[in-house]
Amino acid sequence: NAGVTQTPKFQVLKTGQSMTLQCAQDMNHEYMSWYRQDPGMGLRLIHYSVGAGITDQGEVPNGYNVSRSTTEDFPLRLLSAAPSQTSVYFCASSRGRTGELFFGEGSRLTVL
Amino acid sequence: KNQVEQSPQSLIILEGKNCTLQCNYTVSPFSNLRWYKQDTGRGPVSLTIMTFSENTKSNGRYTATLDADTKQSSLHITASQLSDSASYICVVSAIKAGGGADGLTFGKGTHLIIQP
Repeated sequence: NAGVTQTPKFQVLKTGQSMTLQCAQDMNHEYMSWYRQDPGMGLRLIHYSVGAGITDQGEVPNGYNVSRSTTEDFPLRLLSAAPSQTSVYFCASSRGRTGELFFGEGSRLTVL
Repeated sequence: KNQVEQSPQSLIILEGKNCTLQCNYTVSPFSNLRWYKQDTGRGPVSLTIMTFSENTKSNGRYTATLDADTKQSSLHITASQLSDSASYICVVSAIKAGGGADGLTFGKGTHLIIQP
């Protein structure tokens, strides 16, 4: 079982560049979410989706866009990368909002 | 404001010893509490998930307890192994989401190091 797959695993960007972090799950989960993890801060919610066509903002949404056109995919877009967006990003999915979360392996992003 | 506090922040123990990690929360209304293990450079993996009516839940050498009255949970690791070295994250789910969040409140984790 693939579970939650994130790509790329590592990425280096220059300030102002844009990019998309990909996330796909094969468990037919309705709920998907994106987190960033910074030292000493724990996991913080960026955006989440309760189903195809529905997205909502989390705790730290500024500078990020998401869309959910299919149940399987939930890409995270950085519109104009800033050094403050240097972080490790995790995608997660679950059967429902209160269900067990399954995480991807993470995408480490460095913005110079 | 919903909060999850974990202690200690970090812990070093010798291989074979037992240890207990603590999680205190103020999330309301409560739905469930989860413990996750996160190895360095990997994504978190679920250890246990406990609802209001469950006091104890085990997963191999990991045993989680929940006291919903005092809003405290603990994760006990028995006969620790080198592979237990990781961060352990407590996550509490509220029944109702809202206010720009999805109802999940994450602790900052306890960083556990097992020494040979």
